[in-house]
Amino acid sequence: DGGITQSPKYLFRKEGQNVTLSCEQNLNHDAMYWYRQDPGQGLRLIYYSQIVNDFQKGDIAEGYSVSREKKESFPLTVTSAQKNPTAFYLCASSFPGQSSYNEQFFGPGTRLTVL
Amino acid sequence: KQEVTQIPAALSVPEGENLVLNCSFTDSAIYNLQWFRQDPGKGLTSLLLIQSSQREQTSGRLNASLDKSSGRSTLYIAASQPGDSATYLCAVRPSNTGKLIFGQGTTLQVKP
Repeated sequence: DGGITQSPKYLFRKEGQNVTLSCEQNLNHDAMYWYRQDPGQGLRLIYYSQIVNDFQKGDIAEGYSVSREKKESFPLTVTSAQKNPTAFYLCASSFPGQSSYNEQFFGPGTRLTVL
Repeated sequence: KQEVTQIPAALSVPEGENLVLNCSFTDSAIYNLQWFRQDPGKGLTSLLLIQSSQREQTSGRLNASLDKSSGRSTLYIAASQPGDSATYLCAVRPSNTGKLIFGQGTTLQVKP
C-alpha cells in the first residue's frame, strides 16, 4: 500500500533536548512538507522540500531543522531553541508544485509533549 | 498576505440534514483549493481538490464549489450521517508557491 508513515505516534521531550520526528513516503512524490497544529487552530508550515537535497523555510521555521537526503524521507528535528514545541506535527507529500496532480497527502501525525 | 477563514467554527446538525461549510480567502491568485477531513487525534484526509480553472468538484455526497473572483469556496454535504462528524479544513495554494495556507477548520457534529 502506498502512503505516508510518521513515527513515533507519541513523543515526550525533556527541556533542553533535541528530538527527531520521522516521515517516510512511498508515493514517489518529489515534494514533502512539515506542518504544526495547535489545539483549535489550522496548520502552519514549518519547512518544505520540493526536491532531494533542497528545502525552504516555511512560516514558523525557528527552532526546527530538516534534511532531505533521500526522496522518500524528510525528518524534522525539534531543537532546544524551539520555545513552545508541544503540538501535533503532520508530514505531507505531493507531486511538484506546478504539476496538475499536486494534491497533498498527509501522514497520521506525531504528538510531541514537553515534560 | 493570503489569509483563509472558515465560518462557523463549530456546527451541530441532526442526521439527514443537508449542510454547507464556508471557506473564504483574501487573495484570488491561487493555484488550487483543497478540502480535508480530520478526525480527533488523526492526520488529514483529502476530500476534494479544485483547480483554479474549475468551478466545482463532486465525490459521493460531497460537492465543493469555488468562486475565485469573490474568494469563496463551499463544501456541501448531502444527507449528513453521524460518521460525518469531524473537523473540516480548507486550504489554498497560492499561485507562486507549492505550500498550502489553511483555515482554522469547522468542527461538525451530526447527531443521530
